[in-house]
Amino acid sequence: DAGVIQSPRHEVTEMGQEVTLRCKPISGHDYLFWYRQTMMRGLELLIYFNNNVPIDDSGMPEDRFSAKMPNASFSTLKIQPSEPRDSAVYFCASSLPAAYGYTFGSGTRLTVV
Amino acid sequence: QQQVKQSPQSLIVQKGGISIINCAYENTAFDYFPWYQQFPGKGPALLIAIRPDVSEKKEGRFTISFNKSAKQFSLHIMDSQPGDSATYFCAASERTDKLIFGTGTRLQVFP
Repeated sequence: DAGVIQSPRHEVTEMGQEVTLRCKPISGHDYLFWYRQTMMRGLELLIYFNNNVPIDDSGMPEDRFSAKMPNASFSTLKIQPSEPRDSAVYFCASSLPAAYGYTFGSGTRLTVV
Repeated sequence: QQQVKQSPQSLIVQKGGISIINCAYENTAFDYFPWYQQFPGKGPALLIAIRPDVSEKKEGRFTISFNKSAKQFSLHIMDSQPGDSATYFCAASERTDKLIFGTGTRLQVFP
């Protein structure tokens, strides 16, 4: 298995633009998680899905953030409009039930200028 | 109550020494305690994990010690090597719920 695949690896965009981050989880994993990592706040859980259904989106910072999982093999995290304070590394992870541990992707480094 | 508190924030150890990272939690319903290792430019990777029915788990040079009554657990890296230099995160979860991560410890091992 190729692991959790995220794209793009790097994204530089101007303030106000729409940004879409993509994730392909490991086949057979029921759970998908979106995290944001910054030096100041560490690893923050934004949202997670179970069997393609959003379970907890309490970590989504604002209405500018939205996430979808149209099928078991694909998820997107969208920021519209983007702001400089959204600059961070965004990770996607997938797992069987959490007790089995997460597998993280390599992340998308987002820079909003 | 959902927090996992991790210390120290950073740690410098000489090659061959023992690295110790500590975590504390409040939620007594937590029943799964993993440690993740993250290298620069990579996502965190599962290193070792423990459940509260045992007090210690060892895998090679890595050991988790778990103290249920104190609600604390720690990672010990024996014979630390420069290749162990990374950021380490503790985490906890309740049954199959989401993992709650600590704030991370940046470990540097010098030759």
